[in-house]
Amino acid sequence: GAGVSQSPSNKVTEKGKDVELRCDPISGHTALYWYRQSLGQGLEFLIYFQGNSAPDKSGLPSDRFSAERTGGSVSTLTIQRTQQEDSAVYLCASSLSLRDSTYEQYFGPGTRLTVT
Amino acid sequence: DAKTTQPPSMDCAEGRAANLPCNHSTISGNEYVYWYRQIHSQGPQYIIHGLKNNETNEMASLIITEDRKSSTLILPHATLRDTAVYYCIVRVASRSNDYKLSFGAGTTVTVRA
Repeated sequence: GAGVSQSPSNKVTEKGKDVELRCDPISGHTALYWYRQSLGQGLEFLIYFQGNSAPDKSGLPSDRFSAERTGGSVSTLTIQRTQQEDSAVYLCASSLSLRDSTYEQYFGPGTRLTVT
Repeated sequence: DAKTTQPPSMDCAEGRAANLPCNHSTISGNEYVYWYRQIHSQGPQYIIHGLKNNETNEMASLIITEDRKSSTLILPHATLRDTAVYYCIVRVASRSNDYKLSFGAGTTVTVRA
């Protein structure tokens, strides 16, 4: 079946502009996660959704970052007034459920954001 | 999470088995061993996980020592497409807040023709 999809695959934006990144999780997956990965670095957790609610936003680096999920499916990550340090690959993952005792996370291909 | 130790890199000949070691000497009883990999410019990919028994799926086999202090991921017939960074993670699963995946440096596996 279809995996996690993300759009756009690449985004170049000017400093100060807002961007929206989209994630379509695997159908039926109730848990959704956003991470980012800077060049040569490991994963940095941003936010976790269970259904439409976000019980853990602790990883969002500043109030310029927000995310929402509607209908328990598609999620958008919005970055306002982008800064050069926001340049990274933004990865979305989904999993069946937090209650699944072996909940492997399936990742999308990522959106490469470049802020000039 | 228990910390893991992996060799930074290894080479493997195409068609041969690749054996990737991971040490997790401080693993606790309720922590699973997970393996992910990340091919260049792609998102991480789940490979396999296990608790104490050896596991096998269509991608790989996971061998966990009896004391659970180390494990080995086996790619039975490595192909050029298996060239990637492989991450070994130990984490609690089930009714926990341990959903934040965190990768260490991993092992960079290069499969050569």
